[in-house]
This record gives sequence, C-alpha cells and structure tokens, in this order.
Amino acid sequence: IAGITQAPTSQILAAGRRMTLRCTQDMRHNAMYWYRQDLGLGLRLIHYSNTAGTTGKGEVPDGYSVSRANTDDFPLTLASAVPSQTSVYFCASSVTPSANTEAFFGQGTRLTVV
Amino acid sequence: GDSVTQMEGPVTLSEEAFLTINCTYTATGYPSLFWYVQYPGEGLQLLLKATKADDKGSNKGFEATYRKETTSFHLEKGSVQVSDSAVYFCALIMWGAGSYQLTFGKGTKLSVIP
Repeated sequence: IAGITQAPTSQILAAGRRMTLRCTQDMRHNAMYWYRQDLGLGLRLIHYSNTAGTTGKGEVPDGYSVSRANTDDFPLTLASAVPSQTSVYFCASSVTPSANTEAFFGQGTRLTVV
Repeated sequence: GDSVTQMEGPVTLSEEAFLTINCTYTATGYPSLFWYVQYPGEGLQLLLKATKADDKGSNKGFEATYRKETTSFHLEKGSVQVSDSAVYFCALIMWGAGSYQLTFGKGTKLSVIP
C-alpha cells in the first residue's frame, strides 16, 4: 500500500543523545513536512522541503535538522535531545507545495526524552 | 499572521446526536480550508476541504461551508456514530517563510457514546 512510513514507532531517549527519525514515502510527492504534536498546541511545523535538495524552517525549527537527498526520504535529526522535545512527530507529504493540496500523514513517532 | 481557532474540547455526544465543531480563521487573502481527522493511534487524514468562498466540502456525512463573511468553516454532522470518535483539526494553507504551509487549529477531541 502506497503511503508514508515512519520509524521508529516509539522511542525513549536519554537527554543529550542524538536521534534520527526516519520518513519514507513512495508516492513520488515533491513536498515533505515534519510536524510535532503536543497536547493543547495542535500540530506545529518543524521543517519542510518543497522538492529534493531543498529544505526550509517552519514554526519551531530550533534543535532539529533535516535533509532531502532524494524524493523519497526526509529524515529529522535531533542533535542533542532535550526533555522539551518529548512529543509525537508526524511526517507528511503532498504532491506539490500549493495553496490547496491535500497532505498525507504517516502514523507518527512517539518520542520521550528523559 | 494567518491562524486558525477552533472550539476547545473535549466534546462528548450520544450516538445519533448532531455535531458542530466551530472553526474560524484569520488570513490575508482567501486561503483554502480543510478539516483533518485523527483516529486513535493514527496519523491525520483529510476529511474534507473547500477552496473558495461558499464552497461546501462534504465526506462521510460531514459537511463544512466556507463562509468568507464570517471567516468560518464550521464542521457539522447530522447524526454521529461511535466510529466518529476522533480528534478533528481545522486547517488552512498559508504562504510563509518561503513556502505554502499547512497551519492547524489545536484540535477538538470528540467522543461518541452508545
């Protein structure tokens, strides 16, 4: 089934450790996104990529980095995790970054930083 | 900047009750508007959308009408079912930081009891 795959599903991470959340899509979508979901705050955009080779910062980019070496993969890296990065992380994609395009979401990664 | 405000939950209804979840937006121009739904343990998925004023989006018995004069996009369903229990997010696509970005409200949790 075509879609977005995120890994791991969940992770407990010690503060100060480095962690990469993986995201792969097989729909050949140009645009990809990373969101974090926190209770009472909804979803907030961390980073985005409009096409392979380009990335941009969203609303809450500090402490996170991304890369987009090819169309399918969009990993999110926490260089040195802190407890405030405890959250559920969602990767999403859309055909193009336009004004009315549907976004498709992965199942999420639940990250706990202790 | 552009933003979305939706009614806070949680909302608890009996099966077959009428549902309204209010959503208003602030935006420059006329954004496309969306409702996404998140079932327990899953990622978000598009429920319906409207791309211009007076458009009505509909899906699975849910409806929402794009009201420019009141800057609203309220979600309604005439008779809810237990299977409608989920978190509902109102969203718009805005231009910011060099890209179109999907901006979400904080979400409204709906619980439907038999």
